Amino acid sequence: QVQLVQSGAEVKKPGASVKVSCKTSGYTFTNYALHWVRQAPGQRLEWMGWINAGNGNTKCSQKFQARVTITRDTSASAAYMELSSLRSDDTAVYYCARQFDTAKSYYLDYWGQGTLVTVSS
Amino acid sequence: SYELTQPPSVSVSPGQTARITCSGDALPKKYAYWYQLKSGQAPLLVIYEDNKRPSGIPERFSGSSSGTMATLTISGAQVEDEADYYCYSTDSSGNQGVFGTGTKVTVL
Repeated sequence: QVQLVQSGAEVKKPGASVKVSCKTSGYTFTNYALHWVRQAPGQRLEWMGWINAGNGNTKCSQKFQARVTITRDTSASAAYMELSSLRSDDTAVYYCARQFDTAKSYYLDYWGQGTLVTVSS
Repeated sequence: SYELTQPPSVSVSPGQTARITCSGDALPKKYAYWYQLKSGQAPLLVIYEDNKRPSGIPERFSGSSSGTMATLTISGAQVEDEADYYCYSTDSSGNQGVFGTGTKVTVL
């Protein structure tokens, strides 16, 4: 069965970086893109970016473009999202999600369990 | 940046119909998707490509789209449908994903 398992909760100081992992299983990793989405407390879901797990190409939200790096390790069937220059308003639950391609478009079908990142001095 | 706008809240009695709208300039050309989000759980896709229902999603969930507005309809809402609902789409280039502002649905 398809599973996306994310790394555990993190506490970081302002200005630091955090790297969240998303280890996948149950499907051919390189056949699907992976997206990153976050939700800050009381806020909406925010799309952060995605990576083509096959060729490593990425697209990031303009909001995060300068601070986010999305990578993958095909040997580990895992994707990673690193966010730098952390601020208190980066405190959020971060999710990875698999992209399922249809004939016309795509949707996010399987999600990780979420990783809480807390930014506090 | 591109925005998708939803009403903050919708309240219905059990068995009644809840309608949630999502407004965006690119929706005439881009599909809308709807996710249900309950506290402590990962988002669940309930509608994709405007009006398609994934397997396992109850028939009371339906979607439509016309012009710059997409609509999620819950016909005969149940108490277990209480959740936050988010529309999702992309900007006109297709390169930037966007979630709507979110709608809290209360069934009581």
